[in-house]
Amino acid sequence: DTEVTQTPKHLVMGMTNKKSLKCEQHMGHRAMYWYKQKAKKPPELMFVYSYEKLSINESVPSRFSPECPNSSLLNLHLHALQPEDSALYLCASSPPFQETQYFGPGTRLLVL
Amino acid sequence: SQQGEEDPQALSIQEGENATMNCSYKTSINNLQWYRQNSGRGLVHLILIRSNEREKHSGRLRVTLDTSKKSSSLLITASRAADTASYFCATYPRGQNFVFGPGTRLSVLP
Repeated sequence: DTEVTQTPKHLVMGMTNKKSLKCEQHMGHRAMYWYKQKAKKPPELMFVYSYEKLSINESVPSRFSPECPNSSLLNLHLHALQPEDSALYLCASSPPFQETQYFGPGTRLLVL
Repeated sequence: SQQGEEDPQALSIQEGENATMNCSYKTSINNLQWYRQNSGRGLVHLILIRSNEREKHSGRLRVTLDTSKKSSSLLITASRAADTASYFCATYPRGQNFVFGPGTRLSVLP
C-alpha cells in the first residue's frame, strides 16, 4: 500500500464548530506532516511528527491541534477557525524525516 | 526573498516541446526535491537529488543540481497535455524545515 488517505475530501464548518481532519498511511513511514495550501500558493508546513512525537510546530495558532494516535494515523483537530483558515490541508508521510514525502489528496476546508 | 524560487512562474508550450523550469535557493541543502501538483490536488513526488549529485534522470525527466550556484533545473522532454500542472521544488535547508518554492504553472497545449 503506497497511499496516504485523507478524510473528509471536503469540509464546510462554521466559526464555532469543532471538526477533525484524518490522515492514514500504511507504508511504515515514521514521519508525518500537515501542510496548509492557499490557492496558487505553495504548501506551507504546519506540523511534523517524527516517531509519533511532535517535532516541529511552525508557530501555528492553537485553534489547530494535531494528534498522532499511532504510527499510521495523524489527526488535525479544528476549533474556532476563522474564514482565512479556508484552504487545502495536505497530509504527507516520509520514511524518516527529510526524505521523499508522499502526499494525500487533501481536504478542502471552507470556514463560514 | 524565500528559499527555493522557481523560474518561470508560468510556462506555456506546445505538445512535443521540452519544458525547462529552474529553482534557486539561498542556503546549503541536504537534498532538493521536485513535486508536481494537478489543479489543487495532492502533490506527487517526481525526483530527489542529493547535494553530492549533479544530475538525475527519471523517464522523461532530467534534473540537474549546481550547488556552487545554488540552483537546480527540471527538464521535461517531449511534453504531453497530461504534464499540465504546477511544479514545485522543495529543499531541506540545513538546520531548517522543509520549504517549497512558489512553483511554476506549466500549460501544455495540444
